[in-house]
Amino acid sequence: GQQLNQSPQSMFIQEGEDVSMNCTSSSIFNTWLWYKQDPGEGPVLLIALYKAGELTSNGRLTAQFGITRKDSFLNISASIPSDVGIYFCAGQTGGTSYGKLTFGQGTILTVHP
Amino acid sequence: DGGITQSPKYLFRKEGQNVTLSCEQNLNHDAMYWYRQDPGQGLRLIYYSQIVNDFQKGDIAEGYSVSREKKESFPLTVTSAQKNPTAFYLCASRQTQLPNTEAFFGQGTRLTVV
Repeated sequence: GQQLNQSPQSMFIQEGEDVSMNCTSSSIFNTWLWYKQDPGEGPVLLIALYKAGELTSNGRLTAQFGITRKDSFLNISASIPSDVGIYFCAGQTGGTSYGKLTFGQGTILTVHP
Repeated sequence: DGGITQSPKYLFRKEGQNVTLSCEQNLNHDAMYWYRQDPGQGLRLIYYSQIVNDFQKGDIAEGYSVSREKKESFPLTVTSAQKNPTAFYLCASRQTQLPNTEAFFGQGTRLTVV
């Protein structure tokens, strides 16, 4: 099946620092999604990207859909303790039809006050 | 409130028993999905359904079964054939009437074999 490589696997940062993580794929996706998961909970959608080259912000979060449609990055600016969690990228194929999601392995973010 | 609900949150199963995890959504979404999550790994697709009375195997379907008799419900049965069932199970749903819509997840069910 399709593979997504997400990096880094984990990050330990100080409060106030900026964070960057990315995903690359061997396949083209129509949509890139970024989710955050708190321990013992389901993932919550942060940002959805629908067009190659698209740059989208959601508060302190910024994500981009790579021009080749095979990669995406997520930046978090001025991190705070509640940013702690696991961040997943996901690529989605199809449009109205299939819509299968392929997930990266996740980036575990720890923020020290 | 509209949403997707999984139950129970925690489930314990003896070896050799089948167990069924519930997933219900009132979002009027056509597509529903089951994922498995193991520590340190991403989510892996078990089964998915695009429409009532139809479902397809995902990447790791062996030892699992599903049904989709109603639009709102997509239960997952973990059978005794699943050799390593202890994991966190996540259900998701997605609207497919418009292109490029995103999936929403339930809160998950943690299954432990004892």
